[in-house]
Amino acid sequence: GQQLNQSPQSMFIQEGEDVSMNCTSSSIFNTWLWYKQDPGEGPVLLIALYKAGELTSNGRLTAQFGITRKDSFLNISASIPSDVGIYFCAGLPYSGAGSYQLTFGKGTKLSVIP
Amino acid sequence: SQTIHQWPATLVQPVGSPLSLECTVEGTSNPNLYWYRQAAGRGLQLLFYSVGIGQISSEVPQNLSASRPQDRQFILSSKKLLLSDSGFYLCAWTGRNNQPQHFGDGTRLSIL
Repeated sequence: GQQLNQSPQSMFIQEGEDVSMNCTSSSIFNTWLWYKQDPGEGPVLLIALYKAGELTSNGRLTAQFGITRKDSFLNISASIPSDVGIYFCAGLPYSGAGSYQLTFGKGTKLSVIP
Repeated sequence: SQTIHQWPATLVQPVGSPLSLECTVEGTSNPNLYWYRQAAGRGLQLLFYSVGIGQISSEVPQNLSASRPQDRQFILSSKKLLLSDSGFYLCAWTGRNNQPQHFGDGTRLSIL
């Protein structure tokens, strides 16, 4: 099946620094999603991307849907301690299978040093 | 607005005991429903999904089963739990128009 390669696996950054993470795939995706998961909770949707080349912001977060439809990145500017958590990318295949099954990356664990 | 509820939040069960985890969605009708398992806080593994009442698709053959007795209710079950069933179980829902999945708060299952 399809796989998403998410990198980096983990990051340690100083508070105030910018963060960048990305996902790549060998196949085309129709939709890209970015989630954040806090410890002991379910993932929460941050940004949804529906068109190739789309650049969308949500506060300090910015995500882009790659032109090739095979990649996406998430940037966090001026990180703060509450940004700590695991960030997941997820993609919906171009075939748009009727069950709307997402493929998830393995996550990027972000640690922010005050 | 739509909400999703999972319970219990945590569960400790002995090996060989049965399991029933429940997930309900409010504020929408005819959702797609999903069960995921997450091990060690990383990687979401899709276990089951359902596009309607009584319709269950299994992604990974294992010791678990799922049922959808009502439109907005999704149940994850096992007749006899194994140690390897420990993990964090997440329920999710989505609408019909290519909308993102939204997750519940999860159930932490520990098998002793």
